[in-house]
Amino acid sequence: GAVVSQHPSRVICKSGTSVKIECRSLDFQATTMFWYRQFPKQSLMLMATSNEGSKATYEQGVEKDKFLINHASLTLSTLTVTSAHPEDSSFYICSARSYISYEQYFGPGTRLTVT
Amino acid sequence: KNEVEQSPQNLTAQEGEFITINCSYSVGISALHWLQQHPGGGIVSLFMLSSGKKKHGRLIATINIQEKHSSLHITASHPRDSAVYICAVRGSNFGNEKLTFGTGTRLTIIP
Repeated sequence: GAVVSQHPSRVICKSGTSVKIECRSLDFQATTMFWYRQFPKQSLMLMATSNEGSKATYEQGVEKDKFLINHASLTLSTLTVTSAHPEDSSFYICSARSYISYEQYFGPGTRLTVT
Repeated sequence: KNEVEQSPQNLTAQEGEFITINCSYSVGISALHWLQQHPGGGIVSLFMLSSGKKKHGRLIATINIQEKHSSLHITASHPRDSAVYICAVRGSNFGNEKLTFGTGTRLTIIP
């Protein structure tokens, strides 16, 4: 089946620094990718929808200047958490939608810890 | 009331038992997803359904559009099936590609 990778799988960073998370569709092209955040024992919350070659659409309450999203190609989207704070510590998950099958495939997630 | 409700919230069963997890939704949808999340956090897409029934190995997913209800069945359950199972629906409006997630069902299979 289709595979979506995320890198890194885990990252620990100091407060105030920036962290970039990559999401790649490995064997299909994805015109749309989604970024989610999941806090412990909670469900996934959509942060933003990213379309290749255009600006991301952010959900209400998500700061676009803090969570920078770039979808530069049909197989890669990046999420940069800028000036990270401990409250940004969370599990970040991307999904990629195949433009052929319309099915969404999820990445394995990135666990971010801000100290 | 959430748009997507799952039941039960927690389920513990003996190895070999037949498992059923239910998902009810209150909005019009274009597709419903069943996802599996293991303790490490990674999510696996199990099924995407818009009608009828799908089967993959020991897993079966059904959907009844009229009743706005879907079920995920696991036959001959095994401890490795222990995970959180999440139902998610995609809206039926053109251009509304967002998924709305249920709160998940935590399944524990005891050897």
